[in-house]
Amino acid sequence: GAGVSQTPSNKVTEKGKYVELRCDPISGHTALYWYRQSLGQGPEFLIYFQGTGAADDSGLPNDRFFAVRPEGSVSTLKIQRTERGDSAVYLCASSFTSGRALRSDTQYFGPGTRLTVL
Amino acid sequence: LAKTTQPISMDSYEGQEVNITCSHNNIATNDYITWYQQFPSQGPRFIIQGYKTKVTNEVASLFIPADRKSSTLSLPRVSLSDTAVYYCLVGGISSNDYKLSFGAGTTVTVRA
Repeated sequence: GAGVSQTPSNKVTEKGKYVELRCDPISGHTALYWYRQSLGQGPEFLIYFQGTGAADDSGLPNDRFFAVRPEGSVSTLKIQRTERGDSAVYLCASSFTSGRALRSDTQYFGPGTRLTVL
Repeated sequence: LAKTTQPISMDSYEGQEVNITCSHNNIATNDYITWYQQFPSQGPRFIIQGYKTKVTNEVASLFIPADRKSSTLSLPRVSLSDTAVYYCLVGGISSNDYKLSFGAGTTVTVRA
């Protein structure tokens, strides 16, 4: 079946602009995760959704970052007043359930959105 | 999640076996060991998971000694397409283990 998809694949914006990044999880997956990956580093956790609610947003770097998942499927990561330091690949993952991720809830990742802030 | 240490990079040639060892001295009793693979311009992909002894699937084998303080991912007869970053993760059923902690991983380069 279809995997996790993310749009756009690339986004170039100017400092101070607003951007939205979209994630379509695997159908039927209730858990959704956003990660950010800087060059040469592994992905870093941003936020986790269980259904429509953000169960853990402790990884969001500051209040310019916000994410929603209004119908429990598609999620949008929103970044206000972008800064050059926000440039990274933003990865979305989904899993069937949640909570015990490493044992029974394999996270399936999308290809990511490469964000470049000029 | 338990901290892991793995080599930054490894080079190999087509047809060889590649073994990547990961140290996790503080692994907890309930923790599992999981490896992800990431190709350029793609998200990480789960490849194998184990608790103790040996696990084998169509992609790789995972060797875990009795003390579980380390593990070795073995990739048999690699090809150019196995060039990727490989991440070792340790965790399990703790309530916040959904926060996968990847570290920098091991960049494996396979040459012809």
